[in-house]
Formats: sequence, structure tokens, C-alpha cells
Amino acid sequence: ELKVEQNPLFLSMQEGKNYTIYCNYSTTSDRLYWYRQDPGKSLESLFVLLSNGAVKQEGRLMASLDTKARLSTLHITAAVHDLSATYFCAVDIGSGGSNYKLTFGKGTLLTVNP
Amino acid sequence: DVKVTQSSRYLVKRTGEKVFLECVQDMDHENMFWYRQDPGLGLRLIYFSYDVKMKEKGDIPEGYSVSREKKERFSLILESASTNQTSMYLCASSRHRGLTSEKLFFGSGTQLSVL
Repeated sequence: ELKVEQNPLFLSMQEGKNYTIYCNYSTTSDRLYWYRQDPGKSLESLFVLLSNGAVKQEGRLMASLDTKARLSTLHITAAVHDLSATYFCAVDIGSGGSNYKLTFGKGTLLTVNP
Repeated sequence: DVKVTQSSRYLVKRTGEKVFLECVQDMDHENMFWYRQDPGLGLRLIYFSYDVKMKEKGDIPEGYSVSREKKERFSLILESASTNQTSMYLCASSRHRGLTSEKLFFGSGTQLSVL
């Protein structure tokens, strides 16, 4: 059974600081996704990482994937209040062909304080 | 932009009722999914479908069934609602694997309360 573990689950940080969220998974996969969820809203796709060593960046967020270590990181640079949200990683464990499904981590609730 | 529409934002039902949650997507996506989201548990997959009339069980299918009669519509059915099915239900869709972007597009969710 695939397990996807995020840490920390709760993160309170000050504006301007840097931090990293970690996502470990237990089964070989080379497809990992990061999503953001604002309070009371649905999930929005942030990054799609499709190979070992993949790195994607948008604004103050950068995601990377190390398939050998079964680890993805979401790095936050110089945090601002607008980044406050819950961040989920999800791993593709599809059986191949045209169908697949994602297993999600429990999410990291990020609060950025002034 | 892809639009995934869930028919209700909030629903209140009684134990034992039959409940239908409807989801429609407008981008001709092959794959559709139903997740439930609970505090501290994240998102858990209930069922998914990769084609019309096709369905596969996810991680927690017990107490649920689904229907996909048309490509754009995926329904989640609670045959006899129970209080432990009180949750936020999220529908999502995506294109087939192998294409450039297979990320999920989510609907806004249905908060179901079973009393």
C-alpha cells in the first residue's frame, strides 16, 4: 500500500523567512504533484513533476523531485501572507495505460504571520 | 479554462436516505474522480472512471457507488447515508495519462452533513 507522508503538518512562519515542506512516498513513482487549497476553497494545481531531478518554480515557490530518495520538496522563499494555505503533495500510482489515480498526503497547513 | 461543476455546495440529509452527488466537467476529459476530504486525513479516493460506463474502486469505496453514463458527468451515490459519511466531497477530472498535463482539476466541493 502506497503511503505519502508530508512534514511538517503545521507550519507557522514569519514573513520574509524561508522554509521547506517535505513529501516522502513509499512506492516507486516518477510522477508527483503539488496542490494548494485556500480555506473553504477547492484544490488548485501548483506543480507537476514528471521525472527524477525535475524542478519547477513559480514566484516564491519551488518544487523538486528525487525519485531515488522518493522525496519531493516544496521550498518557500521570503514568505508572504498570501502564501497562507494548505499544501498537498500527491503521488501517481497508476497501473499504466490510460488510467491512473493519485494518493494524497495529509497536507501541510502553512500560516505566514506578519 | 477547465470547469468542474458540482451541483450542490452544501447538503443536509438524514440517515438512511439515498444521496446523489453530481459532477459535470466541460473539457472532454476522459478521467473523473470522487474524493472525500476529512480533517487530519487529507483526501481519500472513493471511485474513479477513465471512460464512459467504466469505473474502478479507490481506497474507500464501501458505502458508495458511482455512475458514468455520459463522458462529462460522474455521479456519486450513497445508497443509504450514514453519519460517518459526513464529509467534504470533491470531484475532479483530468485527461488521459501520457499527455502533457495530467493534473487534476477540482470542483468546488460539496459539504455533506448526514444527521
